[in-house]
Amino acid sequence: AQSVTQPDIHITVSEGASLELRCNYSYGATPYLFWYVQSPGQGLQLLLKYFSGDTLVQGIKGFEAEFKRSQSSFNLRKPSVHWSDAAEYFCAVGRNKLVFGAGTILRVKS
Amino acid sequence: EAEVAQSPRYKITEKSQAVAFWCDPISGHATLYWYRQILGQGPELLVQFQDESVVDDSQLPKDRFSAERLKGVDSTLKIQPAELGDSAMYLCATTIFAGDTDTQYFGPGTRLTVL
Repeated sequence: AQSVTQPDIHITVSEGASLELRCNYSYGATPYLFWYVQSPGQGLQLLLKYFSGDTLVQGIKGFEAEFKRSQSSFNLRKPSVHWSDAAEYFCAVGRNKLVFGAGTILRVKS
Repeated sequence: EAEVAQSPRYKITEKSQAVAFWCDPISGHATLYWYRQILGQGPELLVQFQDESVVDDSQLPKDRFSAERLKGVDSTLKIQPAELGDSAMYLCATTIFAGDTDTQYFGPGTRLTVL
């Protein structure tokens, strides 16, 4: 069965510091992987996706993620966090039906 | 421009009442999804449409939930009767082919509160 684990429920980082959000997945075939961001009371915005090719993918807002098949991971990174990045981040796997993790809430300290 | 429109944005109802949510994938995309997101959790698929046909409704509580997409364009999700546990964000998504793969884009959601 497909599943996604985001081990960190909350993460707090200082503005300007680097960020890494963890995502581990279970999927029976070559996974399609996604990261979405959700601001309070809003829908989901796609940050980036991976389906094949280069395992380091670039997304919007300066985010990137690296697919590591051997570790079944797809961690999201940003070299310098801005206060406006505070939101909830969801990792998802699937092709038609998406299976989401429980999300990681990012807080940014000024 | 948003790819998916949803209304209402917020709905408060009492237990045992009927509620309905509307979704319009503005550009007329064939595939449409309804997800439910309970507070503190990730979204979970309720139903998937391809044009007017249901492709997957295995997670839809069919005793009280129904979904339709009569003309293969906009869609309505109904709950009757609403229960306290139905309080959640209901998200609609459509699939757009972008960058060599299908990608789901989400609407702003409808926040339902059942009292």
